[in-house]
Amino acid sequence: EVQLVESGGGLVHPGGSLRLSCAASGFTFSDYWMHWVRQAPGKGLVWVSRMNIDAFTTTYADSVKGRFTISRDNTKNTLYLQMDSLRAEDTAIYYCAREERDSDYFDYWGQGTLVTVSS
Amino acid sequence: SYVLTQPPSVSVAPGKTARITCGGNNIGSKSVHWYQLRPGQAPVLVVYDDRDRPSGIPERFSGSSSGNTATLTISRVEAGDEADYYCQVWDTSDHWVFGGGTKLTVL
Repeated sequence: EVQLVESGGGLVHPGGSLRLSCAASGFTFSDYWMHWVRQAPGKGLVWVSRMNIDAFTTTYADSVKGRFTISRDNTKNTLYLQMDSLRAEDTAIYYCAREERDSDYFDYWGQGTLVTVSS
Repeated sequence: SYVLTQPPSVSVAPGKTARITCGGNNIGSKSVHWYQLRPGQAPVLVVYDDRDRPSGIPERFSGSSSGNTATLTISRVEAGDEADYYCQVWDTSDHWVFGGGTKLTVL
């Protein structure tokens, strides 16, 4: 059974940093592109970042470029999101999602982890 | 950047058909995917590549896309279908784009 479990969320002050993790199981992690998607309170889903299987190629939404860094450790089956220079508008539930191979959609998602940026 | 437009809400009586639209410039030329999101739960893919259903998704869920509009159709709506629904495409800017979401209310 495919499972994605996020962790690392919490309360952080503006300008602070947080590192999210997404532990994957039930599939060959290194074979799939992985993504982070977020949902601010009362708002819709917004794509944040993507990492290819090579663990080098990345893409970011303009709103987080230069502040967030996506990475993965294929030996630990884990996806990460390092979030720096956090702002109030980064407050959201952060989901990790698996992209189906040779496609552009997300076939499995985690339950999400809540990040709150507030003073 | 590419924009997807969804109605904020759709209401339907049990047993009837709900249609949720997703508008985008020439969206018919893209592959459109749909997700169901219930509070406190992980999003669920309900339709991919315009009209295909993942295993485990009831046949009541179907999709179509043409011109500037894609549509998610839920037939014989049940109380358990009440959720937020999002359309999604991949944009040539190498970004993944979601619609604003539609809240489906079962009356």
